[in-house]
Amino acid sequence: EPEVTQTPSHQVTQMGQEVILRCVPISNHLYFYWYRQILGQKVEFLVSFYNNEISEKSEIFDDQFSVERPDGSNFTLKIRSTKLEDSAMYFCASSVRGYTFGSGTRLTVV
Amino acid sequence: GIQVEQSPPDLILQEGANSTLRCNFSDSVNNLQWFHQNPWGQLINLFYIPSGTKQNGRLSATTVATERYSLLYISSSQTTDSGVYFCAANNNNDMRFGAGTRLTVKP
Repeated sequence: EPEVTQTPSHQVTQMGQEVILRCVPISNHLYFYWYRQILGQKVEFLVSFYNNEISEKSEIFDDQFSVERPDGSNFTLKIRSTKLEDSAMYFCASSVRGYTFGSGTRLTVV
Repeated sequence: GIQVEQSPPDLILQEGANSTLRCNFSDSVNNLQWFHQNPWGQLINLFYIPSGTKQNGRLSATTVATERYSLLYISSSQTTDSGVYFCAANNNNDMRFGAGTRLTVKP
């Protein structure tokens, strides 16, 4: 069964550093998403991406976040200057009808 | 955006028992999914069920779209069923998650 692949599975970074989380969506999917889940809390929508542009973003997705599809297969989330409260599991998803989620990247900001 | 509410927030069962998890949503949906979050944090898709009933082994789900709710049934529960179950739904906007039901199945 096709999968959404996320790398790395874990990342530890110093506060103030930039991080890039990477995702390879399912090849025939057209819609791509990033969600995050702070430990013990609900899964929150960050941003959706379609036709090489952001289609919707939440209030969480402020100026420190950006997304990019640098080539035909990768989809990235960049956090420019990480804060302690950015520590969370970040999920990438893609969809045609139903959503398929990747296994997540656990980001720890120290 | 759509609001998704799940109940109960926590559920503790003995192995072999049956359970029903509920998901209410605030608007009509064109997508509703049930996920199981395993101990490693992965979101495992259980059902894509914007309407109707589906079954997969010991799990089944029913969505009554006109009444804006969905139910997940777990029969003959096993310890490996433990974890958090999320309902997520969307209409014309992007998918929103409920807060989840934390299921603990005791041996």
